[in-house]
Amino acid sequence: EVQLLESGGGLVQPGGSLRLSCSASGFTFSSWFMIWVRQAPGKGLEWVSAISASGDSTRYADSAKGRFTISRDNSKNTVFLQMDSLRAEDTAIYYCAKDLSGYSADYWGQGTLVTVSS
Amino acid sequence: QSALTQPASVSGSPGQSITISCTGTSSDVGYYNFVSWYQQYPGKAPQLLIYDVIHRPPGVSSRFSASKSGNTASLTISGLQTEDEADYYCCSYTSSRTGVFGGGTKLTVL
Repeated sequence: EVQLLESGGGLVQPGGSLRLSCSASGFTFSSWFMIWVRQAPGKGLEWVSAISASGDSTRYADSAKGRFTISRDNSKNTVFLQMDSLRAEDTAIYYCAKDLSGYSADYWGQGTLVTVSS
Repeated sequence: QSALTQPASVSGSPGQSITISCTGTSSDVGYYNFVSWYQQYPGKAPQLLIYDVIHRPPGVSSRFSASKSGNTASLTISGLQTEDEADYYCCSYTSSRTGVFGGGTKLTVL
């Protein structure tokens, strides 16, 4: 059974940093792209970032570029999202997801809430 | 990276069919066959309904079907059931090698 478990969310002040983790199991982690998607309270889904299976290629939405860094540790079946210079508008539930094809995400974690507020 | 355009809401009666549109550009929906559709219930993670424009993952009901014409993709739900009441999102691969979601459509089953 595929499982994705996010952690690392919480309350952070504007300008602060957080590192989200997503631990994967039930599939060959090192063979698949992984994606981060977020959802602000009461709002729609927003694509944030993706990383290739080997980790040598990363992509970011404009809203994340220059502030967020995606990475992965295939030896630990974990993908990370380092978020710096956080803003109030980054407040959202952050989901990690396994990519099936062309950013179609076939498995999702339960999400972790990030709140940016003073 | 402008969001794909979806109607904010659609509604239908049990047994009817409805279609949700998803309009992008020639840099995303119109160019790539990487359009996906998701169903999301309140407080839950999204679930994949359709990938690569028309394909259903195992376990997804055949009542869900999809297509694409030009810059617009469409999701059709036939034989509406009360359990289909949820939010629906489309997503596309883009020429920037990123993804972009639609704004979401709230389906009400009357």
